Amino acid sequence: QKEVEQDPGPLSVPEGAIVSLNCTYSNSAFQYFMWYRQYSRKGPELLMYTYSSGNKEDGRFTAQVDKSSKYISLFIRDSQPSDSATYLCASRYNFNKFYFGSGTKLNVKP
Amino acid sequence: NAGVTQTPKFQVLKTGQSMTLQCAQDMNHEYMSWYRQDPGMGLRLIHYSVGAGITDQGEVPNGYNVSRSTTEDFPLRLLSAAPSQTSVYFCASSYSINSDSYEQYFGPGTRLTVT
Repeated sequence: QKEVEQDPGPLSVPEGAIVSLNCTYSNSAFQYFMWYRQYSRKGPELLMYTYSSGNKEDGRFTAQVDKSSKYISLFIRDSQPSDSATYLCASRYNFNKFYFGSGTKLNVKP
Repeated sequence: NAGVTQTPKFQVLKTGQSMTLQCAQDMNHEYMSWYRQDPGMGLRLIHYSVGAGITDQGEVPNGYNVSRSTTEDFPLRLLSAAPSQTSVYFCASSYSINSDSYEQYFGPGTRLTVT
């Protein structure tokens, strides 16, 4: 079992839709949770992070962590074609190791 | 700042050949790491380093060696390439790991094919 599991998609939505991306993790010791965005043939770039449980909002993006169910979510409001990318969830463990999900490919259609 | 740079961008190797993937960063980051990305598997940590002279294994270290003689450079060596090592390799760096640092800066990747 992978430490962080993620539905690979692909997910296709019309422009302006609300997008929900989700991950689950197995290790209850994980405390830092991150979302990276990766455009085709590029390296991942950090989009958002949260510490422990709760919500964090940044513009059209909201990251949510529910530690009781070991569930990580990213919501994108008013999605744009420029949001089309692969989204990777990740968690940091014991300061030294980062575990990534397999990524969900999102396509926002104009 | 150039950020994290990787060379080469593309490489084709024959089974049994060896090579070194180069990674450099100019942000004075203490933490550097190597990942491989395969379809359906996501990013998997190969090796990491928390500072010059200190390295450790990640999730999938077999078949790879690393060293860290300077803060800036963190090369990844494939000792005897195998088709299973066909992948996209990413190098990443971060501020001191002994902090609340959460952001890793990734390089553009090296696409490696082993035939």
